[in-house]
Amino acid sequence: GQNIDQPTEMTATEGAIVQINCTYQTSGFNGLFWYQQHAGEAPTFLSYNVLDGLEEKGRFSSFLSRSKGYSYLLLKELQMKDSASYLCAVKVNTGGFKTIFGAGTRLFVKA
Amino acid sequence: SQTIHQWPATLVQPVGSPLSLECTVEGTSNPNLYWYRQAAGRGLQLLFYSVGIGQISSEVPQNLSASRPQDRQFILSSKKLLLSDSGFYLCAWTLRDTQYFGPGTRLTVL
Repeated sequence: GQNIDQPTEMTATEGAIVQINCTYQTSGFNGLFWYQQHAGEAPTFLSYNVLDGLEEKGRFSSFLSRSKGYSYLLLKELQMKDSASYLCAVKVNTGGFKTIFGAGTRLFVKA
Repeated sequence: SQTIHQWPATLVQPVGSPLSLECTVEGTSNPNLYWYRQAAGRGLQLLFYSVGIGQISSEVPQNLSASRPQDRQFILSSKKLLLSDSGFYLCAWTLRDTQYFGPGTRLTVL
């Protein structure tokens, strides 16, 4: 089956760096997404990794290792507004493209 | 630019009542469209997806159905709601491999 694991909750301090890990066991892997979702709102796209390595986009970076089935989202210079859920999602091709979402990691940023 | 609309934003319905949620997309043609449900504290569950008018694929057997009467319109329906249908319903479309979500409908079934 298709499975995505990420921690349920994390807490970090304003100004610090936090790394949110995601491991996946899927067939037909075709890329990995990270989304941010504030409470009561729809998810918004953060990053998309297809190849191994680190993709940097401002304060956010995303890493992928396809051989290990592993990704992480790195958030630098944390701000209070970064408090949200972060969803790891894998695009798979199983006779048609689908995106499978993890349950998300709730990040609490404290002053 | 492309925009996705959903309505209503919130809905409270009694058990056994019907449901109709609508999603429309602007600024693109022939999009792939998706319906997801997110239960409280849970991940996104794919319910239906559509690659064109009248083409619906169901991911999870349940008392919900979907229709795509027009290219940029996607409708989620139920004849009789269950308590377990409560959740946050999200419509999404795909642009260059990435899914983008509408604002969502929060449904509470009492």
